[in-house]
Amino acid sequence: DTGVSQDPRHKITKRGQNVTFRCDPISEHNRLYWYRQTLGQGPEFLTYFQNEAQLEKSRLLSDRFSAERPKGSFSTLEIQRTEQGDSAMYLCASSSQGAGNEKLFFGSGTQLSVL
Amino acid sequence: SQQGEEDPQALSIQEGENATMNCSYKTSINNLQWYRQNSGRGLVHLILIRSNEREKHSGRLRVTLDTSKKSSSLLITASRAADTASYFCATGGGQGGSEKLVFGKGTKLTVNP
Repeated sequence: DTGVSQDPRHKITKRGQNVTFRCDPISEHNRLYWYRQTLGQGPEFLTYFQNEAQLEKSRLLSDRFSAERPKGSFSTLEIQRTEQGDSAMYLCASSSQGAGNEKLFFGSGTQLSVL
Repeated sequence: SQQGEEDPQALSIQEGENATMNCSYKTSINNLQWYRQNSGRGLVHLILIRSNEREKHSGRLRVTLDTSKKSSSLLITASRAADTASYFCATGGGQGGSEKLVFGKGTKLTVNP
């Protein structure tokens, strides 16, 4: 257990529905990351927060994706009008100094299946 | 987009043998990190090597970094069945000091008892 919690662990939804995932980072960490991983691939960066500010977003993050980190604590990732191509593992990670200087602590992920 | 490329994509060895995985990357970096992932689980950090370091050890792990060739290797000595997992290299601090980690596609290691 790395101390980063993600909820839910699994989500099955129908195409067109909205889904929301939650991440609780290690409490003293001010950096929070979201990644997406499909089968057989490495994690792909989606977005990154420092405290409550969203500082970087990938081009992978289409208009249907939105992430928030109110009050710089937990974070939510929402996918609107889900598509089958959104099926993946969504990983959250946190750190205190950022990946340019130190390791990231990853949660166990949320596995999304879009039917 | 993926920064690193691991080689080989898959590796199968017998318990007790050594496993070597290689990683190449494209841009300048501050550090290179190796992570391990068991099937369907999150990633666990193994080791971080900074751009001014050439070699680092942690238990049965040995990592080398050659910034002139933009490559790294991870050696696991005396492998065990419990080492079976996917291993990813990731670069940090690249592309103008970005704070994100950029991962490769990984090497799937199978250690047979």
